[in-house]
Amino acid sequence: AQKITQTQPGMFVQEKEAVTLDCTYDTSDPSYGLFWYKQPSSGEMIFLIYQGSYDQQNATEGRYSLNFQKARKSANLVISASQLGDSAMYFCAMTLYNAGNNRKLIWGLGTSLAVNP
Amino acid sequence: NAGVMQNPRHLVRRRGQEARLRCSPVKGHSHVYWYRQLPEEGLKFMVYLQKENIIDESGMPKERFSAEFPKEGPSILRIQQVVRGDSAAYFCASSPPAGTHSGGSYNEQFFGPGTRLTVL
Repeated sequence: AQKITQTQPGMFVQEKEAVTLDCTYDTSDPSYGLFWYKQPSSGEMIFLIYQGSYDQQNATEGRYSLNFQKARKSANLVISASQLGDSAMYFCAMTLYNAGNNRKLIWGLGTSLAVNP
Repeated sequence: NAGVMQNPRHLVRRRGQEARLRCSPVKGHSHVYWYRQLPEEGLKFMVYLQKENIIDESGMPKERFSAEFPKEGPSILRIQQVVRGDSAAYFCASSPPAGTHSGGSYNEQFFGPGTRLTVL
């Protein structure tokens, strides 16, 4: 069965430092996509970054990068130069491309990140 | 800049009442997904709809829950005879048909702000 595992319930980082949030996934399907979303205390879900299983390079979006290690089935999010506004819940999610147009997301339990001044 | 809209943002119901949650997708998006987030948990897929069709309802509880996405108007998630365990945040997401670019990530789902349901 498909599954997303985020083993860090909570993380702390000092402002301006980099932080890595872990995500491992489990699927036997060869075609899938991996996402990271941010959920601040206000509650909305904010898309951060996407990695396709066939993408040759690791995805980057500004201060966010995705350390994609396919053989290890990991898709860790790296946030560089942390800012106070990065304090939030971070969710890793996966979709499979084996079911027509169905792009339902499978979610991890999330990691709570606190950025200290 | 009309993103996904959900209303109401907050809904309070007493046990046994009905809850109706509305979702208006991004203009031009024909695919809608509903997710539920229980307190202190991640999101769980509930149902996937296209206009006038339920495509995948594998995550929907068998009883009391129903969803629709009519030809005109918003998608509706309906919970009958609510119980305290239904208290959660309900998120709607929309996407264009697979294989089309949305201006952002190829396969990105755009999320609404959520409806927070509290059952007293």
